[in-house]
Amino acid sequence: DAGVIQSPRHEVTEMGQEVTLRCKPISGHDYLFWYRQTMMRGLELLIYFNNNVPIDDSGMPEDRFSAKMPNASFSTLKIQPSEPRDSAVYFCASSWDNRGTEAFFGQGTRLTVV
Amino acid sequence: QKEVEQNSGPLSVPEGAIASLNCTYSDRGSQSFFWYRQYSGKSPELIMSIYSNGDKEDGRFTAQLNKASQYVSLLIRDSQPSDSATYLCAVNMNTGGFKTIFGAGTRLFVKA
Repeated sequence: DAGVIQSPRHEVTEMGQEVTLRCKPISGHDYLFWYRQTMMRGLELLIYFNNNVPIDDSGMPEDRFSAKMPNASFSTLKIQPSEPRDSAVYFCASSWDNRGTEAFFGQGTRLTVV
Repeated sequence: QKEVEQNSGPLSVPEGAIASLNCTYSDRGSQSFFWYRQYSGKSPELIMSIYSNGDKEDGRFTAQLNKASQYVSLLIRDSQPSDSATYLCAVNMNTGGFKTIFGAGTRLFVKA
């Protein structure tokens, strides 16, 4: 397996534009997580899915953020409209469970909103 | 109090020394604990997991857990320049559902 695959690796967009980040988890993993990492706040959990169903979205900062998982092999995180304070590295991770096993991270998407 | 706290560092140690990284957590009921390493510009990768009180050794790495004190640590023996990275402590907590919460990370520099 190629691991967790995220696209794009880098995204530069203007304030107000819609941004869509994509993730393909490791096949067979039932859990998918979206994290955001900044210098100020560290690695924050935004939302996670179990078997394609959103379980906890309490970390999503605002209604401008939304996430979907239409099937077991694909998830998106959308920001609309984007703002400069959304600039961060967004990681997708997947795992077999949500308790005691390793989460495998993708390479991340570095988002810059100007 | 933050859910998972780490000293942000940087922690600087000479090559060959022992590096000691510490972490405290708020949820007394937590059962699963992890240490991830993150190189600059890269994604986090798991280096150790620990679930029971005491020590767990894997090569040059030893994780230590004390649930009574809500404290978990990572020791790196014979530190190498290649160990220079940010080390993230992660704790699986039941906060209205199980979540893995990460600390802010400790930056480690190993000087050759």
